[in-house]
Amino acid sequence: SAVISQKPSRDICQRGTSLTIQCQVDSQVTMMFWYRQQPGQSLTLIATANQGSEATYESGFVIDKFPISRPNLTFSTLTVSNMSPEDSSIYLCSVDSPDRANYGYTFGSGTRLTVV
Amino acid sequence: GDSVTQMEGPVTLSEEAFLTINCTYTATGYPSLFWYVQYPGEGLQLLLKATKADDKGSNKGFEATYRKETTSFHLEKGSVQVSDSAVYFCALNNRGAQKLVFGQGTRLTINP
Repeated sequence: SAVISQKPSRDICQRGTSLTIQCQVDSQVTMMFWYRQQPGQSLTLIATANQGSEATYESGFVIDKFPISRPNLTFSTLTVSNMSPEDSSIYLCSVDSPDRANYGYTFGSGTRLTVV
Repeated sequence: GDSVTQMEGPVTLSEEAFLTINCTYTATGYPSLFWYVQYPGEGLQLLLKATKADDKGSNKGFEATYRKETTSFHLEKGSVQVSDSAVYFCALNNRGAQKLVFGQGTRLTINP
């Protein structure tokens, strides 16, 4: 399965600022996914990023707040904009497997964001 | 829409105890089912999976059987260890859909 490098691993940010999270994959993948895990909660999909097209956002998430870039088949970024304490979460990127039914999805180690 | 429901946590057990974490799902069609584990400070790792009814997924002593009649995928382990302390997520992927749908997660703590 793919190996994902995600950074930063953690950060503490001031409210009103923005943070860009990077996700690098060691192989070319069609789809990359960004999830949010709020404290003590499950994972919620923010958006799906395909190379060469606009990201597709889930209900409740908008591009102005979470702009995503996908410049090539191995890299993506998620920006958390104009942050507030409610944005304090773990953000994880994930990639599909060519044989999804059998191998599921691979996840990065996550970015633990604290907004103060 | 598709959904996954896990037993409420946290769960605290003594070492060598028997573990069951319940998971039920609602989905159209025939989804693939997964258990993921998140160790403290880490991302998610795939623990085991099953792709069709009556399949049994297994890994590291954990097992789960895809029960279509009860729409369940309960996670079991016969003898837990302190190193099994983690958060466990049940998830499904419906064929034709791009995303995973997660349960709420169950925090497991094993005491020596």
